[in-house]
Amino acid sequence: DAGVIQSPRHEVTEMGQEVTLRCKPISGHDYLFWYRQTMMRGLELLIYFNNNVPIDDSGMPEDRFSAKMPNASFSTLKIQPSEPRDSAVYFCASRTREDTQYFGPGTRLTVL
Amino acid sequence: AQKITQTQPGMFVQEKEAVTLDCTYDTSDPSYGLFWYKQPSSGEMIFLIYQGSYDQQNATEGRYSLNFQKARKSANLVISASQLGDSAMYFCAMREGWGTGANSKLTFGKGITLSVRP
Repeated sequence: DAGVIQSPRHEVTEMGQEVTLRCKPISGHDYLFWYRQTMMRGLELLIYFNNNVPIDDSGMPEDRFSAKMPNASFSTLKIQPSEPRDSAVYFCASRTREDTQYFGPGTRLTVL
Repeated sequence: AQKITQTQPGMFVQEKEAVTLDCTYDTSDPSYGLFWYKQPSSGEMIFLIYQGSYDQQNATEGRYSLNFQKARKSANLVISASQLGDSAMYFCAMREGWGTGANSKLTFGKGITLSVRP
């Protein structure tokens, strides 16, 4: 079975540019989570969806960040405009209601 | 108050020996699940093992076992017969409302670095 798929795996961009991270959850999983990991702050939950609906976005740092889930098999996290402090590893994870949460391989974002 | 506490800054173990990674948690919810994840230097987060709060026996998965002491609110990960590939960061996490269908999030500890010496 395919796990959680994220793209791109690495992204290098310049400050001010728009960045879009993509995630395909495990088929049948109805919860999807976006996390950010940095050395300073550890693993932070940014937002999560249930049945494509955002449930809790309290972790989204500011209006520059937005996330969508147009269907059960695809989600995006967008940063516009990007800043150097957004440099981090961004993880997507998914699960069913009572299942274990599985993570994607992550996207390493570097904003110059 | 922190919900998940991992205070060991870094652990070292000799290859083939057993090692225990500590995790304490704080919750007033009677239903919860406890999880351990491994993050090697390559960066991915790998699920290792989970324990439900109502489980009567400690969870085991191959060389991994969870020493669950409910009264002490601890969920230590035991790795037996350590291998060089076990060198990684290990995260303890908790999900409250486990088994009730509650829409709750995983709360992660700050992680413990384990280094296995040959």
